[in-house]
Amino acid sequence: AQSVTQPDIHITVSEGASLELRCNYSYGATPYLFWYVQSPGQGLQLLLKYFSGDTLVQGIKGFEAEFKRSQSSFNLRKPSVHWSDAAEYFCAASPGTGNQFYFGTGTSLTVIP
Amino acid sequence: KAGVTQTPRYLIKTRGQQVTLSCSPISGHRSVSWYQQTPGQGLQFLFEYFSETQRNKGNFPGRFSGRQFSNSRSEMNVSTLELGDSALYLCASSLDRGLADTQYFGPGTRLTVL
Repeated sequence: AQSVTQPDIHITVSEGASLELRCNYSYGATPYLFWYVQSPGQGLQLLLKYFSGDTLVQGIKGFEAEFKRSQSSFNLRKPSVHWSDAAEYFCAASPGTGNQFYFGTGTSLTVIP
Repeated sequence: KAGVTQTPRYLIKTRGQQVTLSCSPISGHRSVSWYQQTPGQGLQFLFEYFSETQRNKGNFPGRFSGRQFSNSRSEMNVSTLELGDSALYLCASSLDRGLADTQYFGPGTRLTVL
């Protein structure tokens, strides 16, 4: 069965430090992959997406993600975290036909001064 | 363009009642998907509508149903509410250009079942 796993429930980083959020997927073929961010009381906002091609994807707010087929991973990174990045981050995958997305359970990010 | 709107934003119901949630997609978007978000389960896919037809369905009981109108607006209905139905219900719309397309989410409807 298709699934998306985010191993880290909660991560705390200092402002200015680098960040990496992990995401692993289980699919028969390479799915379409997405990262979304959800701030308190807000809907989900798309950070970036991977469909094909270059395995390093640039997104908004300085985020990037790298697709690694051999590890079935799509980890999200940011070189320097800002206090405003504190939020819940969700990795999602879609088989590509239709819009049935499978989401991970999310990683809550806390940024300390 | 206006974003995805959902009404109402908050709802309180009691067990056994039914509820209808509404979603207006971004203008021009033809696909509308619904998700249930709970702290323990994260986001779970309920169903997707495209051109007034249910195209995909998640693993939820038949108490959860939906429909889509000709203007792409969608409604979701939950009958015989249970305590476990308390959740944030999110609606997402997309252009749907034949393959999985970027989904734009609304702010959600917070349903509390007492």
